[in-house]
Amino acid sequence: SQQGEEDPQALSIQEGENATMNCSYKTSINNLQWYRQNSGRGLVHLILIRSNEREKHSGRLRVTLDTSKKSSSLLITASRAADTASYFCATVLDNQGGKLIFGQGTELSVKP
Amino acid sequence: GAVVSQHPSWVICKSGTSVKIECRSLDFQATTMFWYRQFPKQSLMLMATSNEGSKATYEQGVEKDKFLINHASLTLSTLTVTSAHPEDSSFYICSALAETYEQYFGPGTRLTVT
Repeated sequence: SQQGEEDPQALSIQEGENATMNCSYKTSINNLQWYRQNSGRGLVHLILIRSNEREKHSGRLRVTLDTSKKSSSLLITASRAADTASYFCATVLDNQGGKLIFGQGTELSVKP
Repeated sequence: GAVVSQHPSWVICKSGTSVKIECRSLDFQATTMFWYRQFPKQSLMLMATSNEGSKATYEQGVEKDKFLINHASLTLSTLTVTSAHPEDSSFYICSALAETYEQYFGPGTRLTVT
């Protein structure tokens, strides 16, 4: 069963605006990861945040993790048309051999 | 960076036939690989964990006799969809777990069963 739920399911913004996607999960995790997928393609790893971290940055990406609320958010600043893709969070549980459980995903559309 | 390949990238087969999909880690060894299935507009669903030299571990609801997994070497895992039916049409994605515990994904295989 899916561990994570994401919202919104779909997000449409103008180029230059910020995009925020949220992810919630149900059980304790070892780490949470965000991935990007262009239509019909494989996944691209964006960022990993460990359970003892609260915030992480990578370029225009900012990820937060609130383990008390079992939630994470991905912020993309100054979005570009090329950011149009589906974004998934995925959790790694302790003692599960590293397997990823994916959320439902957010479909982001950035209009030029 | 680590690269994982899948072959074929797409395949069309007739109902009742079997299809084999290969997943290779090209520049690292992976004792563990994972197989996912993704239907259109949906997320990835973990099907099974493939362990080198031992039997695969299947997720609940996944038929192990229908989705045969073999992980015969540290760089190759195969998924065979046996007696495929149209409802098996999907995008199949593998990933390989590196020693750093980072997971690297293949580009996916689109299976269409007619």
